[in-house]
Amino acid sequence: KNEVEQSPQNLTAQEGEFITINCSYSVGISALHWLQQHPGGGIVSLFMLSSGKKKHGRLIATINIQEKHSSLHITASHPRDSAVYICAVRSTSSGDKLTFGTGTRLAVRP
Amino acid sequence: NAGVTQTPKFQVLKTGQSMTLQCAQDMNHEYMSWYRQDPGMGLRLIHYSVGAGITDQGEVPNGYNVSRSTTEDFPLRLLSAAPSQTSVYFCASSYSGTNSYNSPLHFGNGTRLTVT
Repeated sequence: KNEVEQSPQNLTAQEGEFITINCSYSVGISALHWLQQHPGGGIVSLFMLSSGKKKHGRLIATINIQEKHSSLHITASHPRDSAVYICAVRSTSSGDKLTFGTGTRLAVRP
Repeated sequence: NAGVTQTPKFQVLKTGQSMTLQCAQDMNHEYMSWYRQDPGMGLRLIHYSVGAGITDQGEVPNGYNVSRSTTEDFPLRLLSAAPSQTSVYFCASSYSGTNSYNSPLHFGNGTRLTVT
């Protein structure tokens, strides 16, 4: 079993819909990252969380340390949000090394 | 700040050839790492470094060498390229240790490598 599991693997939404992407992990962590990768593009850091909730524009990330679960929400989705969203964790037992989920491919249709 | 600069963007090699992927950052980050990204798989760690003179193996180190002679540079060497090394490679950096708790990841733009 992977240390980091994301769901769903693929997601299609209509413009304006509220979107949730989930990340579950099985190890103790010091931080969790949400990343965005546009098709053919580089990888951009969206959030880094160790507790609670963060908001940036239409994006909200939450984490529940006890349940080992994080969610990324997108409000009022737009076609430009179409991308792969990747969850990565920095575990407390592996120093600075990161473990990545396989990503959620989001397509937002106009 | 240029951030993380990764070169080249594209490369085609024949089996058995060698090459070096370059990665440089100007943010004084201690932690630098190389990943490969293959279809259907998450980013997999090849090698990483937590400071100049210190390197360690990741999940898939075979066929790759690294060195870290300066804080800024972390080159990845393919000694004898194989078709299984066809992939997209990313370099990333961040602060390390206790500074890593509030340090986002910075990625290079990637290198698309094809080995024929």
